[in-house]
Amino acid sequence: DAGITQSPRYKITETGRQVTLMCHQTWSHSYMFWYRQDLGHGLRLIYYSAAADITDKGEVPDGYVVSRSKTENFPLTLESATRSQTSVYFCASTGQTGEGYTFGSGTRLTVV
Amino acid sequence: GQQVMQIPQYQHVQEGEDFTTYCNSSTTLSNIQWYKQRPGGHPVFLIQLVKSGEVKKQKRLTFQFGEAKKNSSLHITATQTTDVGTYFCAAANSGNTPLVFGKGTRLSVIA
Repeated sequence: DAGITQSPRYKITETGRQVTLMCHQTWSHSYMFWYRQDLGHGLRLIYYSAAADITDKGEVPDGYVVSRSKTENFPLTLESATRSQTSVYFCASTGQTGEGYTFGSGTRLTVV
Repeated sequence: GQQVMQIPQYQHVQEGEDFTTYCNSSTTLSNIQWYKQRPGGHPVFLIQLVKSGEVKKQKRLTFQFGEAKKNSSLHITATQTTDVGTYFCAAANSGNTPLVFGKGTRLSVIA
């Protein structure tokens, strides 16, 4: 779906570096989410946001920071990347709770 | 917190065979959603079930929500190679909380 875009698609970074994953949606959806996907763990929620300037922790928030100054953007920052943060990261959005989520294409992050 | 258990983890079928994946919760769910993720792709929303005992169909896919709203199933009739992927169920604790995803069932279809 062209309405939610993630960048970059692929990223290799070194341990200890800060890296930011971008997520942009064009529907003015209120809710946005960051999930990570790892083999054997499925999709796990990192952070979510119900509106601009409102964010909350999910299941696995440690080592991550989010912000939402504008409704359409929800960047995810790894403050000091670790190898355990090697994963595929998906951003998602929805207009209302109880509706289906639309996912971005994902960012495959490798921390070396 | 909310957990949804999904079985089986993997399923290999011959093309034309049927396939079913199950999703179970220890608590009553307000609703349940199903997603499909193709290999290398992202999850795509398929459907949402809300009512007790609800059954919905999308072509060869049949979705059911249990009477007690604690379990759900996705059944595919006469699988095709285009059905390959991982199927996830997802549910929320309440209307305002994010979805928790099951670990998914990976379907392989052998032509």
